[in-house]
Amino acid sequence: EVQLVESGGALVQPGGSLRLSCTASGFTFNNYWMTWVRQAPGKGLEWVANIKQDGSDKYYVDSVRGRFSISRDNANKSMFLQMDSLRVDDTAMYYCARRAVAGWSNWYFDFWGRGTLVTVSS
Amino acid sequence: NFVLTQPHSVSESPGKTVTLSCTRSSGSIASNYVQWYQQRPGSAPTTVIYANKQRPSGVPDRFSGSIDSSSNSASLTISGLKTEDEADYYCQSYDTSTLWEVFGGGTKLTVL
Repeated sequence: EVQLVESGGALVQPGGSLRLSCTASGFTFNNYWMTWVRQAPGKGLEWVANIKQDGSDKYYVDSVRGRFSISRDNANKSMFLQMDSLRVDDTAMYYCARRAVAGWSNWYFDFWGRGTLVTVSS
Repeated sequence: NFVLTQPHSVSESPGKTVTLSCTRSSGSIASNYVQWYQQRPGSAPTTVIYANKQRPSGVPDRFSGSIDSSSNSASLTISGLKTEDEADYYCQSYDTSTLWEVFGGGTKLTVL
């Protein structure tokens, strides 16, 4: 059974840092792109970042580029999101998701974790 | 880059059929596959349709997806509505020019 478990969410002050983790099980982790998606309270889903199987390619939404860094440890089936210079509008539930092939140059998020809550407030 | 626009909310009665729309602002809807995710209150999203019309295993055939190039939109149709279908539904596609994933704003489906 595919499982994704996020951790690391917390209350942090504006300007602070936080590192989120996503631990995978039930599949060959290094065969898949992985993704972070966030959801602000009462709002919709927002894609944050993708990382390739070997970590060589990483993509970010503009609002986090330069502040957030996605990485992975295939040996330990884990993915991370290092979040620096946090802002109030980064407050959200952060989900990790597995990115599966839907077709040529097309992907979708076939499994999601339950999320970890990040609150940025003074 | 493009935007996916969804109606904010839709209501329908149990047993009826409802169609949720997702309109792409620029570029062809057929350029990249569209996915649909269901998110029940307090839960993580789950996939109900991928690659425009494919259903993951375990998703009932009451759920179907399609695209329409004339309106540049994708649709999720749910037939035989059940109260358990009450949820937020998000469409999603991939922007090959920016290499971003794009989500629609979501539609809140009320079944009553």
